[in-house]
Amino acid sequence: DAGVIQSPRHEVTEMGQEVTLRCKPISGHNSLFWYRQTMMRGLELLIYFNNNVPIDDSGMPEDRFSAKMPNASFSTLKIQPSEPRDSAVYFCASSLLEMGNQPQHFGDGTRLSIL
Amino acid sequence: AQSVTQPDIHITVSEGASLELRCNYSYGATPYLFWYVQSPGQGLQLLLKYFSGDTLVQGIKGFEAEFKRSQSSFNLRKPSVHWSDAAEYFCAVGAGGNKLVFGAGTILRVKS
Repeated sequence: DAGVIQSPRHEVTEMGQEVTLRCKPISGHNSLFWYRQTMMRGLELLIYFNNNVPIDDSGMPEDRFSAKMPNASFSTLKIQPSEPRDSAVYFCASSLLEMGNQPQHFGDGTRLSIL
Repeated sequence: AQSVTQPDIHITVSEGASLELRCNYSYGATPYLFWYVQSPGQGLQLLLKYFSGDTLVQGIKGFEAEFKRSQSSFNLRKPSVHWSDAAEYFCAVGAGGNKLVFGAGTILRVKS
């Protein structure tokens, strides 16, 4: 079975540019999560969706960040304009929404470098 | 609010030695608990999970964890560590709605 697929794996761009990260969750999963990982702050939850609806975006750092989930098989995280402090590894994870807490399955991440 | 504490930032063990990684959680009800492993350049991989029942949980790669309610702990163990186990390990507790709260992680180094 295909796991969570993220693209691109690496992105290098100059500050001020728009960055779009993409995620395809595991087929049949109906919860999707976006995380950011840095050495200084560790793993941070940015936003998550249940059944394509954003449930909690309190982790989104500021208005420059936005996330969408137009359908059950695709989500994007956009940064506009990008800044050097946005450099990090961004992970997408998905899980099955059932009673209790189901495990999340992670993609391999997008390593983002903003120059 | 739920929280997870992993007291050890780094641990170094010799290959073949036993391993225990500590995890303490804060949660009012019966917790859902998880251990994940992250190798360099990779995403987090689920090692094992505890939902209810037997407090000793077996996972992949020869790992196990024991849930101790009285100590609010969920420590990860392995009887004999291999060099390929060198990675970062994360403990997590369920926070409802499939949301997880992660600990800060423990980096495991294995010396030969």
